[in-house]
Amino acid sequence: LAKTTQPISMDSYEGQEVNITCSHNNIATNDYITWYQQFPSQGPRFIIQGYKTKVTNEVASLFIPADRKSSTLSLPRVSLSDTAVYYCLVGDFNAGNMLTFGGGTRLMVKP
Amino acid sequence: EPEVTQTPSHQVTQMGQEVILRCVPISNHLYFYWYRQILGQKVEFLVSFYNNEISEKSEIFDDQFSVERPDGSNFTLKIRSTKLEDSAMYFCASGNFGQTQYFGPGTRLLVL
Repeated sequence: LAKTTQPISMDSYEGQEVNITCSHNNIATNDYITWYQQFPSQGPRFIIQGYKTKVTNEVASLFIPADRKSSTLSLPRVSLSDTAVYYCLVGDFNAGNMLTFGGGTRLMVKP
Repeated sequence: EPEVTQTPSHQVTQMGQEVILRCVPISNHLYFYWYRQILGQKVEFLVSFYNNEISEKSEIFDDQFSVERPDGSNFTLKIRSTKLEDSAMYFCASGNFGQTQYFGPGTRLLVL
């Protein structure tokens, strides 16, 4: 199972773009990179997933360099409601696999 | 948008009692999971369930725990003889692909 490393916490201000980088040096060929968001006292919420290059959806963008040893979650123009813990997960796409959560990155968005 | 639901939202029980936590996964999902999160700690995997049987379980999921899909919609986690250290948020999740899982709002279990 590929180990991930991400900053423990980050601060930002409303309206700024936030980039959270995750390193996963021993990512395997079959592994995908997935990001989840968790608000206090709520379940994690799937944000975005990718294998290589760039993926964008209505919530975020995910940038993955060619070597896939890291990835960056980009949140455009954050608001106070984006204050949450963001988790980077790496794992096989096979159905039924458990998710292994690390400590995540605690993002605090300030007014 | 379909979502995973869980009941109850809160449960207080005495040590040694049995509790059943209930979940209704998203209807077209085939894989079901239970996770827990002790206050201030990481989300931990407990068990995954597919085709009416356990497909994977963690070390946490010992004989005290069991899961069941009693009908076509519900998915339950039973904890027999609860301990103080079972106090946590319990999350149910469902999905069709390994890394994309949809979590419910959780049940906060407090064992006294």
